[in-house]
Amino acid sequence: GAVVSQHPSWVICKSGTSVKIECRSLDFQATTMFWYRQFPKQSLMLMATSNEGSKATYEQGVEKDKFLINHASLTLSTLTVTSAHPEDSSFYICSARGQGQFFGPGTRLTVL
Amino acid sequence: QKEVEQDPGPLSVPEGAIVSLNCTYSNSAFQYFMWYRQYSRKGPELLMYTYSSGNKEDGRFTAQVDKSSKYISLFIRDSQPSDSATYLCAMSVAGGTSYGKLTFGQGTILTVHP
Repeated sequence: GAVVSQHPSWVICKSGTSVKIECRSLDFQATTMFWYRQFPKQSLMLMATSNEGSKATYEQGVEKDKFLINHASLTLSTLTVTSAHPEDSSFYICSARGQGQFFGPGTRLTVL
Repeated sequence: QKEVEQDPGPLSVPEGAIVSLNCTYSNSAFQYFMWYRQYSRKGPELLMYTYSSGNKEDGRFTAQVDKSSKYISLFIRDSQPSDSATYLCAMSVAGGTSYGKLTFGQGTILTVHP
């Protein structure tokens, strides 16, 4: 099956710093990747759609200046959480569209 | 009202039981229906992928879609302790820029005990 990786798997940072999360499709090319956020015991909520070579499309209520998305190649999308605060602590999961949608293992962000 | 409703459980069954999981939805534009399994602190793993109405079987798993009732199901036969996880239904609208945007149910926590 299709493999999607994320890096890092876990990050702790101080409030006010920025954190970059990478999402890679390892064995297929993905023109579209998606970023989700999942709070404890809740389902996944779509944050934005990342399209290779163009600007990301953000869901309502998601601050595009805070969550910067770059989809520089057909196998890599990055999410940068800028000026992170404790309320940004969450599980961030990316997915890549192939025959279905395949998810990465997630990145747990803890902001102190 | 949420677009996709899923009973969060938890659901506890003995090993070998048949498990029935289901979701209802309100958006008649949904055309693609998926079931994902998520272990604790891991990303969701695609189990079943179905287009429009009908049944699909893969090993111990059977997915059913009834678009007329806006109801989808996942059946797990001969359940095993390793099936213990959260099961998420997900749906998307076919075509255009909406294709690929998934709307998830809340997820059902399943425990299969030996």
